[in-house]
Amino acid sequence: DVKVTQSSRYLVKRTGEKVFLECVQDMDHENMFWYRQDPGLGLRLIYFSYDVKMKEKGDIPEGYSVSREKKERFSLILESASTNQTSMYLCASSAPGTGGDEQYFGPGTRLTVT
Amino acid sequence: EDQVTQSPEALRLQEGESSSLNCSYTVSGLRGLFWYRQDPGKGPEFLFTLYSAGEEKEKERLKATLTKKESFLHITAPKPEDSATYLCAVQEDSNYQLIWGAGTKLIIKP
Repeated sequence: DVKVTQSSRYLVKRTGEKVFLECVQDMDHENMFWYRQDPGLGLRLIYFSYDVKMKEKGDIPEGYSVSREKKERFSLILESASTNQTSMYLCASSAPGTGGDEQYFGPGTRLTVT
Repeated sequence: EDQVTQSPEALRLQEGESSSLNCSYTVSGLRGLFWYRQDPGKGPEFLFTLYSAGEEKEKERLKATLTKKESFLHITAPKPEDSATYLCAVQEDSNYQLIWGAGTKLIIKP
């Protein structure tokens, strides 16, 4: 079974703090994704990576950066947290194949910025 | 514009009352359509991938079907533990990203 783990289930940070969210997958997947999920807005893609040290902006990259130094690990960084970044953050991974690339998700990190 | 629309937004059923959830999509070329289940406070759990019109897949009380414009998730004789939000997503040809629907919240009352 694919396993995607995230560093924290719940996190409370203050406005202006630098926040690191880490994601690790154990299935040697090439692709990794960071989403945020808010009520009424669904899943929105922040960044994704299709290879080590490669990254692509998603739909809402502003205020975020990412790092992928190793294949299994994908980090999301909030350089200066703001209250509008309070959300559920979900990491996912997938492997490109001949068919569709189903994504496997971690349990999520509920981030509250006060 | 490529998009995915799920209906209804919410569905309340009695235990044992079968029904269907709908996912309609508009993309230029479909690589795959995915169904996920999400429980409150958790990450989505992968259920099915459908690749071409006419394809069907089953898992316990769930059956997913696909046409050229939409997919249905049929739930037969549901139980309270089937209560969750069901998400649909599509992937276009030559694209890593998925286009997500807003989900259908399913509530099964005992």
